[in-house]
Amino acid sequence: GAGVSQTPSNKVTEKGKYVELRCDPISGHTALYWYRQSLGQGPEFLIYFQGTGAADDSGLPNDRFFAVRPEGSVSTLKIQRTERGDSAVYLCASSHGTSGVETQYFGPGTRLLVL
Amino acid sequence: QQQVKQSPQSLIVQKGGISIINCAYENTAFDYFPWYQQFPGKGPALLIAIRPDVSEKKEGRFTISFNKSAKQFSLHIMDSQPGDSATYFCAAYFAGNMLTFGGGTRLMVKP
Repeated sequence: GAGVSQTPSNKVTEKGKYVELRCDPISGHTALYWYRQSLGQGPEFLIYFQGTGAADDSGLPNDRFFAVRPEGSVSTLKIQRTERGDSAVYLCASSHGTSGVETQYFGPGTRLLVL
Repeated sequence: QQQVKQSPQSLIVQKGGISIINCAYENTAFDYFPWYQQFPGKGPALLIAIRPDVSEKKEGRFTISFNKSAKQFSLHIMDSQPGDSATYFCAAYFAGNMLTFGGGTRLMVKP
């Protein structure tokens, strides 16, 4: 079956611009996670959705970052007034979200470069 | 504060050798410890995972050893192959929360 998909695969933007990154989770998965991976480092948590609501947004670095999941499926991560330090791979993961400990399945990521 | 520490940062192993990667955690609330494998340009993929009530888990050439009292766990790759060359991440998790990843180990298996 189809895995987690993310678009675009690459995004180059200029400092100060606004960007949107999209995640399509595995069908039927109610839990959705966003992580950010800087070069040579492990992924770092940004935000977690259970259904339509953000259950935990403690990883968002500042108020320039915002994410939505209006219908409980596709999610969009939005970054305002981008900075060079925002350059990273943004990973999305999903899981069943039904009980306890679950495997998170990752998408290929969106590589964001802020010039 | 880094809650999961991983070592070494890089590892070179000859084909057929054993690759060993170590991780240590701090938060005793963690109750699930997965290892992820990541190839360049791809997202992390689950390799093997263990719960803290088990001291060892083996799946094919991959084994996790877990020491709850020391808050340490390790991945052993037996008979390492060039196709195993990738970056490996240990992680820790508790239900309803996010994965906390180690810094990663870049493994190179020489033919």
